[in-house]
Amino acid sequence: GESVGLHLPTLSVQEGDNSIINCAYSNSASDYFIWYKQESGKGPQFIIDIRSNMDKRQGQRVTVLLNKTVKHLSLQIAATQPGDSAVYFCAALGRALTFGSGTRLQVQP
Amino acid sequence: DTEVTQTPKHLVMGMTNKKSLKCEQHMGHRAMYWYKQKAKKPPELMFVYSYEKLSINESVPSRFSPECPNSSLLNLHLHALQPEDSALYLCASTITGGAYNEQFFGPGTRLTVL
Repeated sequence: GESVGLHLPTLSVQEGDNSIINCAYSNSASDYFIWYKQESGKGPQFIIDIRSNMDKRQGQRVTVLLNKTVKHLSLQIAATQPGDSAVYFCAALGRALTFGSGTRLQVQP
Repeated sequence: DTEVTQTPKHLVMGMTNKKSLKCEQHMGHRAMYWYKQKAKKPPELMFVYSYEKLSINESVPSRFSPECPNSSLLNLHLHALQPEDSALYLCASTITGGAYNEQFFGPGTRLTVL
């Protein structure tokens, strides 16, 4: 089955800095990946997705990079703001969506 | 309307109670999902309904019984739960159950089993 892991449980950054959250996946057959943001007391919120035929996708202040060779996914947040503080999950689609363990992003003012 | 709603927000029940969680979406989505999320853990898939038919059951104990009465509604019936079933129960929906579809999540129901 799919196993999705994250490299760091907590990431602390200064406001205005760029944040990078990493994720590794195990199933080379996964062909769709999603990053979710979950704030306290809320359900996961879609941030950005990427298909396996791409290696980079950009949104508003966010970029997802996919390295299929090493089965690694990253989320880059530019000019991190206090409102970005949350837990971030990567997820990989195989038979169903499998979530990684989550990274808590703390933005220091 | 681009949201998934869940009721109740909070639920406290005893181990002998029967209760139900409700999920609703009016986006015309034809796939709906139940997830369980324990504190500081990622969501874990429980059930998937596709076109009102149960398509995935991730070996969930029978004390959890899903129901999809129509394409907009998804219920989770609870009976004889255990304290370890206390968690945040999340509902989600997608346009269809196929690949490359963004899942929209509801805010969840916080369940406490005493």
